[in-house]
Amino acid sequence: NAGVTQTPKFRILKIGQSMTLQCTQDMNHNYMYWYRQDPGMGLKLIYYSVGAGITDKGEVPNGYNVSRSTTEDFPLRLELAAPSQTSVYFCASSTNLVRPHSGNTIYFGEGSWLTVV
Amino acid sequence: QKEVEQDPGPLSVPEGAIVSLNCTYSNSAFQYFMWYRQYSRKGPELLMYTYSSGNKEDGRFTAQVDKSSKYISLFIRDSQPSDSATYLCAMSDDNYGQNFVFGPGTRLSVLP
Repeated sequence: NAGVTQTPKFRILKIGQSMTLQCTQDMNHNYMYWYRQDPGMGLKLIYYSVGAGITDKGEVPNGYNVSRSTTEDFPLRLELAAPSQTSVYFCASSTNLVRPHSGNTIYFGEGSWLTVV
Repeated sequence: QKEVEQDPGPLSVPEGAIVSLNCTYSNSAFQYFMWYRQYSRKGPELLMYTYSSGNKEDGRFTAQVDKSSKYISLFIRDSQPSDSATYLCAMSDDNYGQNFVFGPGTRLSVLP
């Protein structure tokens, strides 16, 4: 039962480099999300997608790009990495509506630790 | 004022203690409330949820919502070392996932 799978788990980038965080889910969820988690700041939404071919900005989208070509995959691309992008990144997915009483909640991957030096 | 605030911790308690974790919020339209538990180096997992006001109990865990005070709480009875984790509250005015706002989390350590 894989759920939401993220790769890589850890990565060190140099300033100005680019990279893609991969995310795939096997729950056939239409909605997918990328969050970043910084100490004392909680989870901040970067981008989200409500289905293949549809993406939208969250609270902190600057410096990131996403694409959603399939239901399963939602990669996050960092262009021109900056120290401010040092963070833990979580991919998540859900059904169209979050209804925990029906077993429909936001499911998270295990996270990707990114350091930009 | 942040939209959702949470006692930052860290909080250390002895095994068997009753733990109270709290969040306050500013948006009176919030009506969906969730508590997530996040173990070290892992992703958050849903622990408890409530809709609107009231209490909900599940084993050793009780979630309370006081909408008049814009205050929610998670109580853990007979705390165990396995409860050591960071607890995140999350809330929204609707049940679209992208609209849930997460608190910064409280790190709890239960000492044997």
